[in-house]
Amino acid sequence: DAGVIQSPRHEVTEMGQEVTLRCKPISGHNSLFWYRQTMMRGLELLIYFNNNVPIDDSGMPEDRFSAKMPNASFSTLKIQPSEPRDSAVYFCASRRGGTGYGYTFGSGTRLTVV
Amino acid sequence: DAKTTQPNSMESNEEEPVHLPCNHSTISGTDYIHWYRQLPSQGPEYVIHGLTSNVNNRMASLAIAEDRKSSTLILHRATLRDAAVYYCILRDGDFGNEKLTFGTGTRLTIIP
Repeated sequence: DAGVIQSPRHEVTEMGQEVTLRCKPISGHNSLFWYRQTMMRGLELLIYFNNNVPIDDSGMPEDRFSAKMPNASFSTLKIQPSEPRDSAVYFCASRRGGTGYGYTFGSGTRLTVV
Repeated sequence: DAKTTQPNSMESNEEEPVHLPCNHSTISGTDYIHWYRQLPSQGPEYVIHGLTSNVNNRMASLAIAEDRKSSTLILHRATLRDAAVYYCILRDGDFGNEKLTFGTGTRLTIIP
């Protein structure tokens, strides 16, 4: 079990550029979550998918953010155009269905927008 | 979402037990009590969860009050690697509600 895999680990981009963050959940997990962490706001849930379908995107800050899950083994979070205030660590997590399981988080992508 | 209240910070000596408290007075009957921890520069890590009965695993124990309005995470013998932010979270167990909402947690410092 390789865990939840996120790429890239670090991303530095200029304001106005498009940024795409990637996540591979654990095989067999049917829920996937995107979180953002900053010093000011802590860990915030942006969006989550269940069986590849977006269920709750109320945490997505604005239209510049979009997320997709084209299949059970891959998800992307895109920011277009990026702004300095988007600088944060973005975590992806996955979970097997049912009440007996916890959530497994990836190591995160540290995004810096300059 | 039902809220939890935790102390901002705690200290404990290495190799001693640690009891991390959490209050959740508005917990509903379907809320599961989850604990996660986040070590420096890492993603959150699942520790333990439970509904009504006390739970044990290789990492920790979870003691749940009889009225379920509070719980305690117990680390039986703290090591320096247990220094982290510990989050107590309520998750609605109703099917279809998968949200896990993090608060500010308790920053645990282990003193050598």
